[in-house]
Amino acid sequence: AQTVTQSQPEMSVQEAETVTLSCTYDTSESDYYLFWYKQPPSRQMILVIRQEAYKQQNATENRFSVNFQKAAKSFSLKISDSQLGDAAMYFCAFLGGSNYKLTFGKGTLLTVNP
Amino acid sequence: DTGVSQNPRHKITKRGQNVTFRCDPISEHNRLYWYRQTLGQGPEFLTYFQNEAQLEKSRLLSDRFSAERPKGSFSTLEIQRTEQGDSAMYLCASSPDSKRFEQFFGPGTRLTVL
Repeated sequence: AQTVTQSQPEMSVQEAETVTLSCTYDTSESDYYLFWYKQPPSRQMILVIRQEAYKQQNATENRFSVNFQKAAKSFSLKISDSQLGDAAMYFCAFLGGSNYKLTFGKGTLLTVNP
Repeated sequence: DTGVSQNPRHKITKRGQNVTFRCDPISEHNRLYWYRQTLGQGPEFLTYFQNEAQLEKSRLLSDRFSAERPKGSFSTLEIQRTEQGDSAMYLCASSPDSKRFEQFFGPGTRLTVL
């Protein structure tokens, strides 16, 4: 069974600064996907960024980028130029290559201070 | 298309009552998932449909829970004889066959059992 661990229950960042959220996972699969989802208060979960395990290049989506270390089973999210709208709960999630169910971490609550 | 929709958004019920939630996936998505999210936790997988076939049920889904997806369109999740431990956010997600790794989430139904 896969496990996803987010060791930071809460993080805070000043507006316009950079913050990194950590995630580690455990799996015996070689083919899989990793995700960061954002869940604002009382709003629905949206996909921030996706990384395919077979790709060596780290994924980037505008101000969001990941540091994917496959050997270390680490998948961190970097948010650059943080904005007030980035405040939310962030979940790291794993999907096995032959599977269909997402396994989520417990989340990191990000606060952005003006 | 406006995305995955769920109704009701909030449900308050007394212990022992039955409740039913509805999920309408994105129209061309064949795959539909139910997750449960309790306070301070990430979502946990409950069940999965491919078209009208329910292909997997988590052990979290006790005999009091039943899910259906008639005609492969909308899905319902029913909880019979609700218990206080059933209080949670129930999330629905859908994905297309061509990109099964892209799960789009609905806003969720928040259940409170008194």
